[in-house]
Amino acid sequence: GESVGLHLPTLSVQEGDNSIINCAYSNSASDYFIWYKQESGKGPQFIIDIRSNMDKRQGQRVTVLLNKTVKHLSLQIAATQPGDSAVYFCAETLTGGFKTIFGAGTRLFVKA
Amino acid sequence: NAGVTQTPKFQVLKTGQSMTLQCAQDMNHNSMYWYRQDPGMGLRLIYYSASEGTTDKGEVPNGYNVSRLNKREFSLRLESAAPSQTSVYFCASSEKGPTGNTIYFGEGSWLTVV
Repeated sequence: GESVGLHLPTLSVQEGDNSIINCAYSNSASDYFIWYKQESGKGPQFIIDIRSNMDKRQGQRVTVLLNKTVKHLSLQIAATQPGDSAVYFCAETLTGGFKTIFGAGTRLFVKA
Repeated sequence: NAGVTQTPKFQVLKTGQSMTLQCAQDMNHNSMYWYRQDPGMGLRLIYYSASEGTTDKGEVPNGYNVSRLNKREFSLRLESAAPSQTSVYFCASSEKGPTGNTIYFGEGSWLTVV
């Protein structure tokens, strides 16, 4: 069946270091991918997205990489800050569809 | 700009009781969604409304009903609550469908069924 999963459930990094959060997806037909950040007690917040016709997209301090060959998605956070501590979800969807599939999430801890 | 507002934030129900979760968005979005989030699992879609006047089942619709009251409001009803419905519920909206359109989430409603 369709699924989106994460390799690491928790990640601990030192403030100032770069963070890499990984995600695997199983539906090769998915063509739109999103990363969300969820802080404790709050709803998910959009971070960055990428379409399947791209392999890299950069935002402010964040970069998403897409490897369609191995169905792998990653989120890179540069110069990680304490405010980046949260749970990060990857998600996939099909163009024209409404059923976004979310991964279970990776919790990122940033040590000061 | 409030974005997506959902109420109540916390609720405890007894098995068999009914309740409605309310949701409203002020961004003039066409599409609205209800998700549930359980520990160790990703968000799962319960129901969605692609546009005003339409509703469709998502991944886990059993035990729930929805109403798209108008363009702003999308409510989720539990007719006879069960302990398996203990979860955190998120309402969300997007301008159109989720592809290429940011989905905005509410703050969540924590529901416990005892």
